[in-house]
Amino acid sequence: KQEVTQIPAALSVPEGENLVLNCSFTDSAIYNLQWFRQDPGKGLTSLLLIQSSQREQTSGRLNASLDKSSGRSTLYIAASQPGDSATYLCAVRRQGAQKLVFGQGTRLTINP
Amino acid sequence: EAGVAQSPRYKIIEKRQSVAFWCNPISGHATLYWYQQILGQGPKLLIQFQNNGVVDDSQLPKDRFSAERLKGVDSTLKIQPAKLEDSAVYLCASSLIQGAVYEQYFGPGTRLTVT
Repeated sequence: KQEVTQIPAALSVPEGENLVLNCSFTDSAIYNLQWFRQDPGKGLTSLLLIQSSQREQTSGRLNASLDKSSGRSTLYIAASQPGDSATYLCAVRRQGAQKLVFGQGTRLTINP
Repeated sequence: EAGVAQSPRYKIIEKRQSVAFWCNPISGHATLYWYQQILGQGPKLLIQFQNNGVVDDSQLPKDRFSAERLKGVDSTLKIQPAKLEDSAVYLCASSLIQGAVYEQYFGPGTRLTVT
């Protein structure tokens, strides 16, 4: 059974810092991995999707990496801004399946 | 392109009452998912539809939860009777069946409080 863990559960940093969020999964037979952002009271917004054959994806100030063999992914946020404050969730999709298995999320607070 | 629509956005009911949620996926998306997200946790898949058929309902508490997707478009999720532990956000998502990515698009969710 696939289990996804995100550490830390919460993170608070001053504005302008670069930061890394971590995601680990127990079964390396994944099809792809997705990072989402969730604002309070809102649904999930997809940030980046990495196929299992890829090592990283970039979008603006965000960079996600994937090391399938070690069961790890990181989300790097450069030059953080107060607007980046949200909960960040990673989710993996097993080979041959469409459903996502989510981690519990990291609640990020960027202090002005 | 319109996103995934859900209603209502909020619902408060007493335990043992029944409740229903509605989802309208993105046009052309054949696959529809219902997730339950308990406070402080990641979403958990309850049921997945592909067109009209159920693909995965292994984590759906079938003694109280039911879902249907009429004509392969809109879907409703029902809870009867509700328990206190059903308090959560219920998220609907949809994805295209063709292509190899299966990226899911989520609606805003329905926040259910059971008192």
